[in-house]
Amino acid sequence: DTGVSQNPRHKITKRGQNVTFRCDPISEHNRLYWYRQTLGQGPEFLTYFQNEAQLEKSRLLSDRFSAERPKGSFSTLEIQRTEQGDSAMYLCASRQTSGDTGELFFGEGSRLTVL
Amino acid sequence: AQSVTQLDSQVPVFEEAPVELRCNYSSSVSVYLFWYVQYPNQGLQLLLKYLSGSTLVKGINGFEAEFNKSQTSFHLRKPSVHISDTAEYFCAVSVKTGANNLFFGTGTRLTVIP
Repeated sequence: DTGVSQNPRHKITKRGQNVTFRCDPISEHNRLYWYRQTLGQGPEFLTYFQNEAQLEKSRLLSDRFSAERPKGSFSTLEIQRTEQGDSAMYLCASRQTSGDTGELFFGEGSRLTVL
Repeated sequence: AQSVTQLDSQVPVFEEAPVELRCNYSSSVSVYLFWYVQYPNQGLQLLLKYLSGSTLVKGINGFEAEFNKSQTSFHLRKPSVHISDTAEYFCAVSVKTGANNLFFGTGTRLTVIP
């Protein structure tokens, strides 16, 4: 399978705990995006990387959220001191900028439930 | 700034009937337009996209969409739906330069009734 891979697929945690999600993009893709999707809403942009550089962060990305892509391959999204409002599906997507077609390729998401 | 409006949150339709899911967008710059489909507990899959050229775009699973610049619309259509088309459909736009982030609408839940 050469698609975007995310894990864990599901995470249940207690309020105040830290959680980390991992995304493995399609191997030749240099851009990687994180989105958050809450129930009944469309995905909302959180942040994106070009190679290892984090180039843009949404206002939705509070200081409890941190994302990294240390070697320009996989990425992690960490949420510290989780709150019930963090419960959502976290989607990762990737793309290649050369031969640009504008399309993002999405993983199946990591669903977070904060109790 | 860009925004996307999907006017219908839910669309029920009988099997083999035609369907249209509406999408309007707002942007001060040129954009790419997309329709994605999301099945339960899954990620998003691209149905079709408009980058340039012909305003009628054909996608997978028999779907098509028409770009109307004057009305800033990109409605999705299918002449005959199947049970398997039951899913959430998202319209999205991205700016042609820069981060190329996708801005999504709130989605339309298509339910195909047997």
